Amino acid sequence: QKEVEQNSGPLSVPEGAIASLNCTYSDRGSQSFFWYRQYSGKSPELIMFIYSNGDKEDGRFTAQLNKASQYVSLLIRDSQPSDSATYLCAVNIKTGANNLFFGTGTRLTVIP
Amino acid sequence: DAGVIQSPRHEVTEMGQEVTLRCKPISGHDYLFWYRQTMMRGLELLIYFNNNVPIDDSGMPEDRFSAKMPNASFSTLKIQPSEPRDSAVYFCASSLGSVYTFGSGTRLTVV
Repeated sequence: QKEVEQNSGPLSVPEGAIASLNCTYSDRGSQSFFWYRQYSGKSPELIMFIYSNGDKEDGRFTAQLNKASQYVSLLIRDSQPSDSATYLCAVNIKTGANNLFFGTGTRLTVIP
Repeated sequence: DAGVIQSPRHEVTEMGQEVTLRCKPISGHDYLFWYRQTMMRGLELLIYFNNNVPIDDSGMPEDRFSAKMPNASFSTLKIQPSEPRDSAVYFCASSLGSVYTFGSGTRLTVV
């Protein structure tokens, strides 16, 4: 089992809809969770991070964490064509360490 | 700040040749990471440093791969000899805490 798993997609949503991206992780002791966006041919860039159970909102983005279910998600409201990218979930698995394990990413396409 | 700077952006080399990838982290960042990205395997951590000291190199695939960080502003990843299966995008990232900043990557093609 991989440390971090994501549905590779592709996920297609119409413009203005809510896009829901999901991620599961294997280590119950994981402490911090990150969502990165990567445009084709570019480097990953941080969208947001979450440490505590529940929801965290930042503009059109909401991260949701459920440690009991080992599940983290990213919701994108009012999706725009510019949101079309690959979204990478990353988890800091080892307590005290600073290295992140990344999922393979979900490719999102927002259709105008 | 100019961000994390990697060079070269693209490298095409013949099998068996030595390849050296370079990275300049963001000033003040105390962690430096080397990742490799392929379509099949996604982003894989190869090695990371804390205050110039290698902490975990368990992701380095083979002895053909080596990495150094002689000072806080420079790191190299070397592949010798290179093989076609090493073809990938290699990213360097630096961080202060858990928030990473990635460089633009080096696209390596070994023919």
